[in-house]
Amino acid sequence: QLQLQESGPGLVKPSETLSLTCTVSGGSISSSGFYWGWIRQPPGKGLEWIGSIYYSGSTYYNPSLNGRVTISVDTSKNEFSLKLSSVTAADTAVYYCARQKGYSSGGLWYFDLWGRGTLVTVSS
Amino acid sequence: AIRMTQSPSSLSASTGDRVTITCQASQDISSYLAWYQQKPGKAPKLLIYAASTLQGGVPSRFSGSGSGTNFTLTISCLQSEDFATYYCQQYYSYPPLTFGGGTKVEIK
Repeated sequence: QLQLQESGPGLVKPSETLSLTCTVSGGSISSSGFYWGWIRQPPGKGLEWIGSIYYSGSTYYNPSLNGRVTISVDTSKNEFSLKLSSVTAADTAVYYCARQKGYSSGGLWYFDLWGRGTLVTVSS
Repeated sequence: AIRMTQSPSSLSASTGDRVTITCQASQDISSYLAWYQQKPGKAPKLLIYAASTLQGGVPSRFSGSGSGTNFTLTISCLQSEDFATYYCQQYYSYPPLTFGGGTKVEIK
């Protein structure tokens, strides 16, 4: 069955760029009817949506992140990636990638499959 | 942004109890609401979407109801594996997609 796996550095210095990749296995990232999203969860806190991408490259981002987010997709590698620039300690969180039901013209719905998550700590 | 408010933030219950969690949206979201269960150290798991549609494989003791601004998640007969934190999420208006603050269900 389809699985998602996050990968990337677990420690990032303040002011630098956080970079994570989500590899999709057991299915195609180019399947219609799905977006691919990033969600984060600071330690002991709730869930925050970061952004989502369709395999065509159409993206939606959370405005609260003030333009610091870039999500890209590589269909040849069946993976999508997150870059978060100018990080601070407030960006310390478990970062999840997830498959999101939706449609290409801009319907973002719920997250039906999640990766296991990866903890990223921002510290010098 | 649509604000999602869950109550209570935590509750204590016993196995076999009926548990109800509420989620209130700051504006009408029709039925564009999902519920997730998260256990410690694990990723969230989708339970319900479209306010009341059970995701495949989810036990029938879970049910969801509501529309507009007021929603409920009910666990009809709490099992030991149901002790977890539950989140609601709206997908009516975005960006941003927004989650509730969570409800932790603990053992009494």
